[in-house]
Amino acid sequence: QQPVQSPQAVILREGEDAVINCSSSKALYSVHWYRQKHGEAPVFLMILLKGGEQKGHDKISASFNEKKQQSSLYLTASQLSYSGTYFCGTEFTGNQFYFGTGTSLTVIP
Amino acid sequence: EPEVTQTPSHQVTQMGQEVILRCVPISNHLYFYWYRQILGQKVEFLVSFYNNEISEKSEIFDDRFSVERPDGSNFTLKIRSTKLEDSAMYFCASSLNAGAQDGYTFGSGTRLTVV
Repeated sequence: QQPVQSPQAVILREGEDAVINCSSSKALYSVHWYRQKHGEAPVFLMILLKGGEQKGHDKISASFNEKKQQSSLYLTASQLSYSGTYFCGTEFTGNQFYFGTGTSLTVIP
Repeated sequence: EPEVTQTPSHQVTQMGQEVILRCVPISNHLYFYWYRQILGQKVEFLVSFYNNEISEKSEIFDDRFSVERPDGSNFTLKIRSTKLEDSAMYFCASSLNAGAQDGYTFGSGTRLTVV
């Protein structure tokens, strides 16, 4: 039931763009995106609830496809502070929340 | 910015001992959760708690685990008869509503090491 993320890891130079994908074999109630820096707690980025929804702030945005089985996180003009592990997450039923497999993002100067 | 507070930040315990991990969720949040993350691996759901009872729990949350909200502010996770494989980072989280439409707020975690 765990959503699968791709790629597993990506290295970018400052200013480059990245896309992180999150896929599920079944329709998701919602999809969350979190960023976790090493040794710290995951930090909530955004939630998408509706099929076809797109949302974003600053240079980080996300989309949720019509069938609600796939979401993508877009990071544009990456900054050093974007480095961390990105997790998508979702609920299928009730209050049990599943994190995705994670994507390690490293931004280098 | 309201935050979720966890104590202690590190806990070392001998195998077979009991540990209690403490959390103070955001004061107006109604839903509370424990997650764990084994080093370098994914974040795993343990349990959710609402209205003074467990809403859902995962397979990891066996009968050695229990949660309590003893005084309306603290939310604790107790692990009895600890095993080496319980070693992990444990995160407490809270949310205002079911479905966490505003996201989950996580504490900074307790690193538990069982030796």
